[in-house]
This record gives sequence, C-alpha cells and structure tokens, in this order.
Amino acid sequence: EVQLVESGGGLVQPGRSLRLSCAMSGFTFNDNAMHWIRQAPGRGLEWVSGIYGTGGGLGYADSVRGRFTISRDDAKNSLYLQMNSLRSEDTALYYCVKDIGPGGCDLWGRGTLVTVSS
Amino acid sequence: DVVMTQSPLSLPVTLGQPASISCKSSQSLVHGDGNTYLNWFHQRPGQSPRRLIYKVSNRDSGVPDRFSGSGSGTDFTLKISRVEAEDVGIYYCMQATHWPYTFGQGTKLEIK
Repeated sequence: EVQLVESGGGLVQPGRSLRLSCAMSGFTFNDNAMHWIRQAPGRGLEWVSGIYGTGGGLGYADSVRGRFTISRDDAKNSLYLQMNSLRSEDTALYYCVKDIGPGGCDLWGRGTLVTVSS
Repeated sequence: DVVMTQSPLSLPVTLGQPASISCKSSQSLVHGDGNTYLNWFHQRPGQSPRRLIYKVSNRDSGVPDRFSGSGSGTDFTLKISRVEAEDVGIYYCMQATHWPYTFGQGTKLEIK
C-alpha cells in the first residue's frame, strides 16, 4: 500500500523545538517534490514548506521562514521538518504530502499533531 | 503571495441537485511551462484532504465523473452535477504554480 506516515508531533512549550519526520513506503521512490501542509484546529489548509528532488529548490511560507527547515533523505525515503522557536500559532495537524503524478500534492499522510502551549 | 478567494464559503445543497464553487486567484496561474497548476481537494471530517482535480480540469483516479473543473488564468470553478450524500465536507482550491503554494479558505458543502 502506498503511504506516508508522519511522526514526531506532541506538546511543546513556546520557544522550544520539535522535529517532524515522514516515512514513505509502498512505491518506487522518485525525486518529485514533497511538502508539509498544516491545518490549525477548525481552520483551513496552509502550505508550510516544500522541497524538490536532488539539487532542486525549497521554499517556505512567510509565517515559518527563518524558524522552520525542511530536508529530505532520499536513501531513507524520508522527509523532515525541523521547527524552532515554536509559537502558539504553530499549533496544527501537520500533513506530509508528496507529488506522485502531475499537478502536485496528490498523496497525503494522516498527519501528526503539534501543540504549542505552556 | 498569490491570494486564492473561494465563494461561497457555505453551500447548502439538496441531494441530486448541482453545486458550483468559484475560486479566483490574485494573479495568473499559468506557469512558465504552459500548464496551469490549479487543484481541487475534498476533506471529510476527521480525514486527510483528497485531491479531486488537478491542472484545472483533470479528474484524479477514482473520482466520480459528476465532478468537473474548469477555468483559466485567474478564474476557476468546481462543479458537481448531482450532489450525493458522500460529497459533504469542505472543498479547497490550491494553486501550485507559484511558491509559496496557497489555498482558498474552503467551502463547506452540506445537505439541506
């Protein structure tokens, strides 16, 4: 079965750090783009960050630029999000999303919940 | 950043009737490669979003043909020809032409 599985979420105090991971399985890995997209409780979807394949570019939403770092390990079929200086407004369900076919963002994980609170 | 504006935000529909959602972007979504990367997603309560339509009008595998997408440039529409009970949830448009990718606010479809 083709799937993405996120991990690393949890409760963290404001100003602290957290690292999210996304493991891919069930398909032949390719170097298409991968993304983190989040959804605050009861809110809409927000693209957080994306990274292209080998030698490709990466990008961030203004709300996280300078605090979050996206990376990928193709040998491990994994995607990561290092989140520093966390704020209460970063509280959300974080989805790992991958481009499989044309168009983008066609494969989604189930998400990992990050709660930033003292 | 490209601003995506959906309307309506709430859409009560009678079973078997059509439904239409508009999505407008603040700038053209035509990419330098000639494609227009406008996608539509459906999210049911407690579930991850599922992509329905990619590049304006292409249905994803398994998506019923009662769903259709159209539009160009900055103006796009998702149509459901005959709403079924399983279609309830929130619909989002998303542009993947310009980084950062951006989503519309979401349209909540409910059955009258």
